[in-house]
Amino acid sequence: DAKTTQPNSMESNEEEPVHLPCNHSTISGTDYIHWYRQLPSQGPEYVIHGLTSNVNNRMASLAIAEDRKSSTLILHRATLRDAAVYYCIAGTASKLTFGTGTRLQVTL
Amino acid sequence: EAGVAQSPRYKIIEKRQSVAFWCNPISGHATLYWYQQILGQGPKLLIQFQNNGVVDDSQLPKDRFSAERLKGVDSTLKIQPAKLEDSAVYLCASSLGWGTSVAYEQYFGPGTRLTVT
Repeated sequence: DAKTTQPNSMESNEEEPVHLPCNHSTISGTDYIHWYRQLPSQGPEYVIHGLTSNVNNRMASLAIAEDRKSSTLILHRATLRDAAVYYCIAGTASKLTFGTGTRLQVTL
Repeated sequence: EAGVAQSPRYKIIEKRQSVAFWCNPISGHATLYWYQQILGQGPKLLIQFQNNGVVDDSQLPKDRFSAERLKGVDSTLKIQPAKLEDSAVYLCASSLGWGTSVAYEQYFGPGTRLTVT
């Protein structure tokens, strides 16, 4: 799996967009980019994944750089319920190797 | 749709004792995972089952940890004997399938918090 680099923490105001960056410069051509989040005292929750093209779902958007060495998870309107640790994982289709993620704080 | 169920939710044991955790995956999910999450770290994969066969157990400390998935549904993870460093949250996850060219979402249970004293 490729090593990922994420900021330790980020802050956002409620109802504003949030852009969570992830660097994965050693990603291989067949590696997927997965995003999971973990709310306090809960198991991780799937957010989105992609391979080469940008992806959208009801929770978020994933923007993948053209060279695939970085990606950005976009939450379009942050709410207090989005406060969590967000994990970016670059690896095989099925094996998730979690780092320490980005802790997102959302304030009123 | 019912989620991944785990029990117990909390367990406190003394070192050198044994403990077992139980997981019931989402109905129809062929792949089951056990993760260990130490405080302040991300989850670490311990073992992955496809139906009742082991796909990956490379990070399972086999001298003290064991896991089984009988009949390809429920699974148990056992630690015997426990050490202080085994204090962690043990997470079970399941997915529809497993493959090298298709990514399947993993659905996680709430976890079992183990404290070894």
